[in-house]
Order: sequence, then structure tokens, then C-alpha cells
Amino acid sequence: AQKVTQAQTEISVVEKEDVTLDCVYETRDTTYYLFWYKQPPSGELVFLIRRNSFDEQNEISGRYSWNFQKSTSSFNFTITASQVVDSAVYFCALSGTLTGANSKLTFGKGITLSVRP
Amino acid sequence: ETGVTQTPRHLVMGMTNKKSLKCEQHLGHNAMYWYKQSAKKPLELMFVYSLEERVENNSVPSRFSPECPNSSHLFLHLHTLQPEDSALYLCASSPGTGDSYSPLHFGNGTRLTVT
Repeated sequence: AQKVTQAQTEISVVEKEDVTLDCVYETRDTTYYLFWYKQPPSGELVFLIRRNSFDEQNEISGRYSWNFQKSTSSFNFTITASQVVDSAVYFCALSGTLTGANSKLTFGKGITLSVRP
Repeated sequence: ETGVTQTPRHLVMGMTNKKSLKCEQHLGHNAMYWYKQSAKKPLELMFVYSLEERVENNSVPSRFSPECPNSSHLFLHLHTLQPEDSALYLCASSPGTGDSYSPLHFGNGTRLTVT
């Protein structure tokens, strides 16, 4: 079975601080996908990124960056110079590509990020 | 119009009521999903439809009954619910065929309270 662990439940930072959200996953698949979603107070989850297990290149998009390390089964998300609008719940998710249980999308429990002005 | 629209935003119902949640997507996607989000728990996949055909039914109690009349609309019919069914119900769509690796586009959800 596959599993996603987001050990941090709540993080509070002051605006302009950098913050890293951790994600550790477990899977037996050799091919899989990792995701991050953001859920602002309005409720809808917003897709942020998807990574293929064969692509370990780190990615940067504006103030967001992602660090994918297969050796430690981690896919961490860093927000640089955080802003109040970054306050949300952030979910990491994993999808295997085999049939059966691992073909499902498994979400972590989410990390509530509060950015104070 | 937003990509995925859910109505109502909030719903309070008694255990003997019958109600329906509605979801509409304007993205031209082929697959639609119902997820349940309860406090302190990961999102739970309930149902998946691909081209109006149900491809996933995740051991959901029969008091939840989905309906997908076309690829743009998805309903969740509710009857004789229990208080533990109170949660945020999220609809999503994707350009895939109901697979688990296509990015999902979510609606704002319906906050359901069962009294």
C-alpha cells in the first residue's frame, strides 16, 4: 500500500520568512507521480505541481520551489518570502501507476500554514 | 465562470431528509470525481466517472448515490444520512479518463451538516 506523511500539522510564520513544508511518501511502484495542492479558505483545492518519479530535477516557480529526493522518499515544498495570501492548507499526494490500490491518488493529511503580517 | 462550480455551498439536513449536491464543470474534461473531506483526515475518494460511466466506487455506503447525466454534470444524492457524514464534499474534474495521475481541478465544495 502507498502512504503519504505530512508530519507538520500547523506552521505559523511572519510575512517574508521562508517556510518549508515536508512530505514523505511510501510506495512500491517504480513509476509514480507526486503532487502538491493548495486549499485556501475558500475551499477549493488548487493544483500546484506534479512530478514524475523519473524526474528528480528540482523545480522553481516564482516564490515556490520543490525538492524531490528519491533517496529519502521526500518531496518538500518551499515558499520563499512568504505572504499573507499563502495562508492555506497544503496537501501532498501520491499516485502509483499500477492497477489496484496503488493506482489511487493518496493524499496526506495536510499542513495548515498561517502567514502573519 | 469558474472551472468547477458546486451548489449549494452550505447544506444542513436532518437524518431523514433527501437532498442532492450538484457539480458542473466548464473545462471540457472527461472525468469527474466526488471526494469527502473530514476534519483531521486525508481526502477520501468516493466516486469517479469517466465519460459518464462510473469507473470507481470506493466502498461508499448506499445512502450516497451518484449520478452523471453527461460529462459536464455530476450529482450526489443523499438520503438517511448520519451525523458522521457531516463533512466538506468536493467535486473535481480532470482531462484524463478517471486515472489517478491527471491533475485535478476542484470546486469550492459543499459544507454538509447532518443534524
